[in-house]
Order: sequence, then C-alpha cells, then structure tokens
Amino acid sequence: KNEVEQSPQNLTAQEGEFITINCSYSVGISALHWLQQHPGGGIVSLFMLSSGKKKHGRLIATINIQEKHSSLHITASHPRDSAVYICAVRSATGNQFYFGTGTSLTVIP
Amino acid sequence: KAGVTQTPRYLIKTRGQQVTLSCSPISGHRSVSWYQQTPGQGLQFLFEYFSETQRNKGNFPGRFSGRQFSNSRSEMNVSTLELGDSALYLCASSPRGGEAYGSPLHFGNGTRLTVT
Repeated sequence: KNEVEQSPQNLTAQEGEFITINCSYSVGISALHWLQQHPGGGIVSLFMLSSGKKKHGRLIATINIQEKHSSLHITASHPRDSAVYICAVRSATGNQFYFGTGTSLTVIP
Repeated sequence: KAGVTQTPRYLIKTRGQQVTLSCSPISGHRSVSWYQQTPGQGLQFLFEYFSETQRNKGNFPGRFSGRQFSNSRSEMNVSTLELGDSALYLCASSPRGGEAYGSPLHFGNGTRLTVT
C-alpha cells in the first residue's frame, strides 16, 4: 500500500508548456514537501506546504487538505526544469515521512 | 552558509561488513533525518534526530542505527551489510524537527554505498 501516489510517472513537454504534476496521499499529514532531484542524486526542496498555495518564480504548489491532494505547476517550462519531482508527506501521527515514486519530467527545446 | 555535508561520497563494502556514514548539517540546524534511495523502492525514511534524541524511525531492521552528537552532526551505521543495502543514503537537516507543522528540508548530496 502506497501512502503517496504521484501522476504521471513520466512526462515529456515542449519548452514553454504549462506542466502539472499531481500527488494524492492517504494519511493525515502535518506537512507536504515537493522535492526536485537532478541526475547525479542531489535533492532540492522546492516547497513545504501545510495549506493553501505557494509560488516561487515559475513554480506554484497547491494543497487541498480535505481532498488529500496537492499539485505542482510549472509555468513556461524550460529544459533546465528536466528532473525528477518527488512528493513527500510527513504524517501527523508518528511523524513518519512517506514518498511518492516521483515524476520524471523531460522538457524538450 | 555551508550546505549539508555528507561523507564519504562513495563507498564500496563487502557483504557482512559494517559501515558508518557521516552528515554535518547546516550551521544552526538541530534536526537531521536520514533516507535510503534505491531504484526499486525509491526514497524511504530511515530515522530522524533532534537535539541528540531519535524522534522517529522508519520501517528498517535493527541493523540500521544512528546517533546525533551535541554539535548536531549525525552518523548512521549499518551492520552486517547485505547486497540489498546498496543504495544512495541521503541526509537532510532542518531548523526544527518533529513538530506538527514541519520544517523545510535541506538535503546533502548523499553517500552512494555499494555492497559486493
């Protein structure tokens, strides 16, 4: 049983396209994280959310606590956005971290 | 400010041996958490330390252990290595840990462990 489900698993987009990655979770959470991982392994934390919406540059993250769903949007996508995007939640009970399997994004020039 | 530093970057060990990995958090961060990443299982949570105390632990056998020192540096140890322990081990630090609202995570570049 996966506590965190992401879709799609793979995504190919043309430069400039608007991209959405979805994350659904089944546990009560205290926080949700969106992470970016480039080839080579380094992980960067993009957002931490507990409610509402956050924006950073071309990236927007939203969360709906009642529906247990979050989305990561990339506006005007660029080849440098090519990476694996991972959704992670910290459970409200037990403070465990659960991770989605990631969405591999390729942006073609 | 220096980022999270993990050492060593690469490690090759033989089945049955033990290994110790090190993580130095960002200055001022008191929480360190550890994760295992494999192609088959993805990212999995190992444990989290805050102020030298283990706050929570993932679903891993007792061969995996860790500790945190008074300067917030952390080590994790894997004893009696198995082939399946080959993975990228990542640590992350945050200013606080274990609180209901969470804290942003700052990841190190990881230690890639190969068990032969």
